[in-house]
Amino acid sequence: GNSVTQMEGPVTLSEEAFLTINCTYTATGYPSLFWYVQYPGEGLQLLLKATKADDKGSNKGFEATYRKETTSFHLEKGSVQVSDSAVYFCALKAAGNKLTFGGGTRVLVKP
Amino acid sequence: EAGVAQSPRYKIIEKRQSVAFWCNPISGHATLYWYQQILGQGPKLLIQFQNNGVVDDSQLPKDRFSAERLKGVDSTLKIQPAKLEDSAVYLCASSALAGGQYNEQFFGPGTRLTVL
Repeated sequence: GNSVTQMEGPVTLSEEAFLTINCTYTATGYPSLFWYVQYPGEGLQLLLKATKADDKGSNKGFEATYRKETTSFHLEKGSVQVSDSAVYFCALKAAGNKLTFGGGTRVLVKP
Repeated sequence: EAGVAQSPRYKIIEKRQSVAFWCNPISGHATLYWYQQILGQGPKLLIQFQNNGVVDDSQLPKDRFSAERLKGVDSTLKIQPAKLEDSAVYLCASSALAGGQYNEQFFGPGTRLTVL
């Protein structure tokens, strides 16, 4: 079956540090890949997506590239802010509109 | 535009009791999803509706969980009887009609259930 594995947190960083959250997946066929973010007290929000190999999704300074050869979709941001503190979820969509999520990575950015 | 609404936001019950959660999707969204998010884990799809028909309920524990979407708008998820392991956040999401192309799912704030 489909599955998503992402690095466990929490990840604690200082403001302006570089952030990487690793995500790898297992799926049949050619899934679409997503990063969702959950800010404290809020619902899940789509952060970025990529629908085919070598696509790069980007939003709010975050980027992730769909790497079919390594089945990965790592999330990166060059300079984090306190407001980036949240839980980040990697997810894939295969058949239909069904999402399979990873376990989430909590990120805490300190001033 | 109003987002996905859920109620209640929090619920505490004792095991073997029953509980119901309500979801109102974004207006015009044909597809509605219920997810279970256990603490420290990612959301897991329980059931997906398209209009008022069930598309996928393969991970719904049907001996105790039930869901309906009358008239293809609001939806209710029920647990009867509840077990300790049902403690989780129950998320509702909606999207435009799911076809060959991905339609973004918009999530509600969730209902946090604690079973004692």
